[in-house]
Amino acid sequence: DAEITQSPRHKITETGRQVTLACHQTWNHNNMFWYRQDLGHGLRLIHYSYGVHDTNKGEVSDGYSVSRSNTEDLPLTLESAASSQTSVYFCASSRNTGELFFGEGSRLTVL
Amino acid sequence: AQSVTQLGSHVSVSEGALVLLRCNYSSSVPPYLFWYVQYPNQGLQLLLKYTSAATLVKGINGFEAEFKKSETSFHLTKPSAHMSDAAEYFCAVGETSYDKVIFGPGTSLSVIP
Repeated sequence: DAEITQSPRHKITETGRQVTLACHQTWNHNNMFWYRQDLGHGLRLIHYSYGVHDTNKGEVSDGYSVSRSNTEDLPLTLESAASSQTSVYFCASSRNTGELFFGEGSRLTVL
Repeated sequence: AQSVTQLGSHVSVSEGALVLLRCNYSSSVPPYLFWYVQYPNQGLQLLLKYTSAATLVKGINGFEAEFKKSETSFHLTKPSAHMSDAAEYFCAVGETSYDKVIFGPGTSLSVIP
């Protein structure tokens, strides 16, 4: 069955380190998104992509970057992790139907 | 700019009682509207969506929502709550079917036996 997978599911890192969260989908969806979930804020959009080599900033993009070299993957990189980036990160994909398909999330703790 | 507000961060209902979760949106164009549900330690899954067809939308697990343009609302209802409905519910708005979706802060639903 087609799916969307995130790795790692749990990560503990130190302030200042570079961290990359992986997202891989097998639906062949053009659209992919990264959100962060924090209590009281719901899900906030970090970056998104509508296809290979396309990337766009969301509402909370500072300190994050993405690249899209193929249809299946959209890795999220924190160049220099900060404690404010402790959160649960969700990747999602869609095929122009309005429905987002979510991964199970990656819980990141920055000490 | 699009935005979503959800009245009530926590809602408790008795098993068998009506569930009503409130959502109001702001959008400069006719919106696409969604309700998603999140069970503990899982990602979100779509409950239902409004895409300018019928104003009353039926979703999975007995949930439905009504789009009211004059009130800019898209409230979620279920006639009879079940224990398995306990979860976090998110209302979301998008301007096109493939555009980025903006989520509300969420409402945590508790169902009391």
